[in-house]
Amino acid sequence: DAGVTQSPTHLIKTRGQQVTLRCSPKSGHDTVSWYQQALGQGPQFIFQYYEEEERQRGNFPDRFSGHQFPNYSSELNVNALLLGDSALYLCASSFDRGNTEAFFGQGTRLTVV
Amino acid sequence: AQKITQTQPGMFVQEKEAVTLDCTYDTSDPSYGLFWYKQPSSGEMIFLIYQGSYDQQNATEGRYSLNFQKARKSANLVISASQLGDSAMYFCAMTLRSGGSYIPTFGRGTSLIVHP
Repeated sequence: DAGVTQSPTHLIKTRGQQVTLRCSPKSGHDTVSWYQQALGQGPQFIFQYYEEEERQRGNFPDRFSGHQFPNYSSELNVNALLLGDSALYLCASSFDRGNTEAFFGQGTRLTVV
Repeated sequence: AQKITQTQPGMFVQEKEAVTLDCTYDTSDPSYGLFWYKQPSSGEMIFLIYQGSYDQQNATEGRYSLNFQKARKSANLVISASQLGDSAMYFCAMTLRSGGSYIPTFGRGTSLIVHP
């Protein structure tokens, strides 16, 4: 049983560019949440997707957008990248909008130069 | 607003000893969940243990136990018989229901180093 998988594992982008990160949830899970983790900090909630809709959103600008597909996989898009967007981006899957423990992927390390 | 506080940026423990990682939380909601996650240097967050606000017994999972003191709003993680592989960052998180979803708020984490 595959756990949560994220791709790519590492990424380097230039300021102003756009990036797309991908996440496949654990089998049987229908909810995907995205987090940003800066160095030395705890994960910060970006948004949650359930039934292909954004259900909750954290305090992140509209440059951060996402999508969930019918197979429950998800994408995180970030436009107009800033140096401050450099972080580890974690995807977590759960069941029933997070009413269970979440399982995390290994993350995508994004570096903006 | 809900808040999670982990006051120990770093902890050191001898192999085979027990260690307690502190976590306090703040919420006025009577229904919440408390989680602990382990994050090794690889980056993946690994679920360790869960405690519901209405659970009467302290949660235990193998060598992990959660010392839940509701009146003090604390949810400390106790790791018994520490192993070298326990060296990692540990995060406490609280989940509240918001608009039908359960969204966790994480603390800043505690770095645990286990010495041989």
